Amino acid sequence: QKEVEQNSGPLSVPEGAIASLNCTYSDRGSQSFFWYRQYSGKSPELIMFIYSNGDKEDGRFTAQLNKASQYVSLLIRDSQPSDSATYLCAFSWYGNNRLAFGKGNQVVVIP
Amino acid sequence: DTAVSQTPKYLVTQMGNDKSIKCEQNLGHDTMYWYKQDSKKFLKIMFSYNNKELIINETVPNRFSPKSPDKAHLNLHINSLELGDSAVYFCASSPQAGEGNEKLFFGSGTQLSVL
Repeated sequence: QKEVEQNSGPLSVPEGAIASLNCTYSDRGSQSFFWYRQYSGKSPELIMFIYSNGDKEDGRFTAQLNKASQYVSLLIRDSQPSDSATYLCAFSWYGNNRLAFGKGNQVVVIP
Repeated sequence: DTAVSQTPKYLVTQMGNDKSIKCEQNLGHDTMYWYKQDSKKFLKIMFSYNNKELIINETVPNRFSPKSPDKAHLNLHINSLELGDSAVYFCASSPQAGEGNEKLFFGSGTQLSVL
């Protein structure tokens, strides 16, 4: 069973601070990792993907992948109220034809 | 232009009824999916089609039957609806499947409520 674990409970951060989200996965064969953002009542939207160990930056978002430790994280710098959403971690692997999702981590940015 | 569109957005029905959800994508993608999101926001795959062929069929009751008339459409028919079927159903598409880098583009979801 391929599993994705995300932090439990909502994460509250003040506006302008860094929000840090972590995700661990069970399968060492996993090769692609994704972060989706889902606003309440809306559909998930892809915001980051990472395939190689290390950091990948896109605007205020940084994804960090450590395959040896089997975790991927997402940093949101200069958090804005518009970043308040649920963030879903997902991964896929060759020949799998699907994404396995974590249960999500709610972020609340406090003005 | 909506990339992945599904209808209806809301579906309220009685137990035992049969209902369908339609999905269309105009992205030219080869692969389409149905995902179910429960009340705890957990997204779980149900089906996947690649160029009209079924490639994933998770442990889903056979009351659920997907149909793909062409690679741009994937519909979901549900027979004999049960209370536990209440959830949000998302259609999604991706450019390709099987290479381990699937990027999913989701429709807006169908909120199904079975009374």
